[in-house]
Amino acid sequence: DAKTTQPPSMDCAEGRAANLPCNHSTISGNEYVYWYRQIHSQGPQYIIHGLKNNETNEMASLIITEDRKSSTLILPHATLRDTAVYYCIVRVAGGYSGAGSYQLTFGKGTKLSVIP
Amino acid sequence: GAGVSQSPRYKVAKRGQDVALRCDPISGHVSLFWYQQALGQGPEFLTYFQNEAQLDKSGLPSDRFFAERPEGSVSTLKIQRTQQEDSAVYLCASSLGNRGGGYTFGSGTRLTVV
Repeated sequence: DAKTTQPPSMDCAEGRAANLPCNHSTISGNEYVYWYRQIHSQGPQYIIHGLKNNETNEMASLIITEDRKSSTLILPHATLRDTAVYYCIVRVAGGYSGAGSYQLTFGKGTKLSVIP
Repeated sequence: GAGVSQSPRYKVAKRGQDVALRCDPISGHVSLFWYQQALGQGPEFLTYFQNEAQLDKSGLPSDRFFAERPEGSVSTLKIQRTQQEDSAVYLCASSLGNRGGGYTFGSGTRLTVV
């Protein structure tokens, strides 16, 4: 799986949009971008994923650049409960395609602190 | 159940003791994963099951680590002769398959070896 690069930490004011960047310059054509977050003392929680089109769900929006070398996770109105470590992961989806294709490779993520 | 359940939530073991950690995945989920998370680090892959078959155990750090899922549902991660470096949070995740989408993680078992 391609490697990702994320800033180690970010702050965001409560009620404002949080924009979390991720670089994945070596992403392959069949690799998706996934975002998970981990709130303190809990397991990681799936947020959203996409291939090349922008995606939106009830939790967040995912913006992927046209060349797919970077993406941004957007939390439109951050709350204190959004304080967590956010992980950007790229992996193959759509079926088994060799050893390791199904596992998630976590980096250190971005620690987002939402400030009152 | 509604989510992935792991037990115990916390485990303190004396060095050299054997431990068994349990994972109850979401009913009907075919895929099951174990991850190890050291303090301040992201989770690291240990092993993967598809139903009862262990398809990948390449992440298990030593032969003291053993995982099983005999009936394709509940899974147990066993660590023999625990050592201090085994102290970590052990996370279990499950999914319907491996065709993309999200995996559901449990809250983990925090193992402390003293």
